[in-house]
Amino acid sequence: AQKITQTQPGMFVQEKEAVTLDCTYDTSDPSYGLFWYKQPSSGEMIFLIYQGSYDQQNATEGRYSLNFQKARKSANLVISASQLGDSAMYFCAMRRVDGQNFVFGPGTRLSVLP
Amino acid sequence: ETGVTQTPRHLVMGMTNKKSLKCEQHLGHNAMYWYKQSAKKPLELMFVYSLEERVENNSVPSRFSPECPNSSHLFLHLHTLQPEDSALYLCASSQDHTGGTYNEQFFGPGTRLTVL
Repeated sequence: AQKITQTQPGMFVQEKEAVTLDCTYDTSDPSYGLFWYKQPSSGEMIFLIYQGSYDQQNATEGRYSLNFQKARKSANLVISASQLGDSAMYFCAMRRVDGQNFVFGPGTRLSVLP
Repeated sequence: ETGVTQTPRHLVMGMTNKKSLKCEQHLGHNAMYWYKQSAKKPLELMFVYSLEERVENNSVPSRFSPECPNSSHLFLHLHTLQPEDSALYLCASSQDHTGGTYNEQFFGPGTRLTVL
């Protein structure tokens, strides 16, 4: 069975600093997709970034980048130049190529300090 | 309206009440999902609909009854709920529910449900 682990229940970062949110996963499937979502206090889940298991390069989207280490089964999210608006819950999720639906991790609460 | 909308945003109900949650997507997607998000628990997938047919039901109690009248609308009918059912209920949609790993789900803002 698939499983997502996020070992940091809470993280603090100073505004304008970079922060790394950890995600490790467990799967026996050769092909899968990894996602990061942000959930502000309003409740809506906002898609941030995607990494396919066969992608040769790490995904980047603006200030977000994904440090993908396939052999270690980790997909850490790096947020550069943190902003106060980045304070939220962050969820790592995985999807199998056969259409198995998303499995989400428990989340990490990020607090950006002024 | 754009994206995925959910109504109501907040709902308080007694254990004997019957209520419904509504989700509407304006993205032309074919798949819709209900998730439950409880405090301190990972997001739990409840139901998946593809082209108005239920394709997944993850052992959800019968007091939750989904309905998908068309590909744009999804309902979750609630009856005789328990206090432990209090949670944030999120609706999502995607282009389809199969066909590759990249099939981003777009989420609505959720309905915060409190069962007294």
